[in-house]
Amino acid sequence: QQPVQSPQAVILREGEDAVINCSSSKALYSVHWYRQKHGEAPVFLMILLKGGEQKGHEKISASFNEKKQQSSLYLTASQLSYSGTYFCGTEGIGSSNTGKLIFGQGTTLQVKP
Amino acid sequence: DVKVTQSSRYLVKRTGEKVFLECVQDMDHENMFWYRQDPGLGLRLIYFSYDVKMKEKGDIPEGYSVSREKKERFSLILESASTNQTSMYLCASSSIGRVKQFFGPGTRLTVL
Repeated sequence: QQPVQSPQAVILREGEDAVINCSSSKALYSVHWYRQKHGEAPVFLMILLKGGEQKGHEKISASFNEKKQQSSLYLTASQLSYSGTYFCGTEGIGSSNTGKLIFGQGTTLQVKP
Repeated sequence: DVKVTQSSRYLVKRTGEKVFLECVQDMDHENMFWYRQDPGLGLRLIYFSYDVKMKEKGDIPEGYSVSREKKERFSLILESASTNQTSMYLCASSSIGRVKQFFGPGTRLTVL
């Protein structure tokens, strides 16, 4: 079953912060985050593994709460280049480590000057 | 630089035609994936291949088949295209395990 992302869309001014959530109804082993800019391929941001890990990438970081089966992506002091659609991809426990993911429906982020 | 290429960026076909979408990766990856992307539905997995000639159905395999005769190439086949298969199709590849996927630029298919 697809994870649910919230919000579906968000508009920010440059310098503002945003949080994107990804919730699953299944127990998770890992959560992957990707960003897709308009007209381009999705690009990998980070992977979070079971264990409540928090990772960072420039001013973009994420956390993974395995008890809540939820991950959050934090965008700090947003820049125009952060605009795009963000997808979480989840791997359920017992998935045999195949690399197969179930992606959420996406969150569209627009950063305005 | 790693690369996943797809045979066409845009494709227009007629209902009932057989359609082939090709994907090639140059990273010697074991895994290859075909996704369909529709507004509000995100990326949905059609088929997955973890080795040459090996495949596994994804979440929405109906109306599609795949072929992987060589490690670097993964083809998506629409046996008889229908209008509800109008969509953006994305190919991706990865190594085995919990690692990142590399996506191709996508093929926007319109079925008239």
